[in-house]
Amino acid sequence: GEDVEQSLFLSVREGDSSVINCTYTDSSSTYLYWYKQEPGAGLQLLTYIFSNMDMKQDQRLTVLLNKKDKHLSLRIADTQTGDSAIYFCAEIDGGSSASKIIFGSGTRLSIRP
Amino acid sequence: EAGVTQFPSHSVIEKGQTVTLRCDPISGHDNLYWYRRVMGKEIKFLLHFVKESKQDESGMPNNRFLAERTGGTYSTLKVQPAELEDSGVYFCASSQDTGDGRYNEQFFGPGTRLTVL
Repeated sequence: GEDVEQSLFLSVREGDSSVINCTYTDSSSTYLYWYKQEPGAGLQLLTYIFSNMDMKQDQRLTVLLNKKDKHLSLRIADTQTGDSAIYFCAEIDGGSSASKIIFGSGTRLSIRP
Repeated sequence: EAGVTQFPSHSVIEKGQTVTLRCDPISGHDNLYWYRRVMGKEIKFLLHFVKESKQDESGMPNNRFLAERTGGTYSTLKVQPAELEDSGVYFCASSQDTGDGRYNEQFFGPGTRLTVL
């Protein structure tokens, strides 16, 4: 079945870049996502990338997609304390955005001064 | 516009009891989803409603779980009887159904944290 894997923890110094990596298995996924969950809050869609794109940039966020290796990464430039959260990599199951989302286990990003 | 809301935010029950979780989707959203995150693991899909019909219930773990969406508005997820392994955070999400292949975001609620003792 479909599977999304990511490392569980990442610690970075404030001001540095954070890179969270993810691998997925479903090559037919049309959309790949990064969700953010802050303490006590729900899931917030941070960004998504369409499967025919290699890169997407949105302010401090850069998403890179390597379809051949089924590898997705999220880079956060100039990491701030407000970026502390759990980041979930996810893929849509198939071609429609109405399909179920397959999530990874989440990477807990902690920021040290 | 109000987002997806869930009630209660927390529920602590004993093994064998019954719990009912409620989700109110964003007004006008025909798609409604239930997901759950157990023991810090991945968030797993449970089921998907389109209006009042179950489109996909492949993620429902067993027959102790019953989801309903009468009238196609809010949804309830009942666990009866609850077991220890049911503890986790239950998320609800909703999205529009434009039916034209356009991208429609699934908006998530804050979740209900269920603890079974």
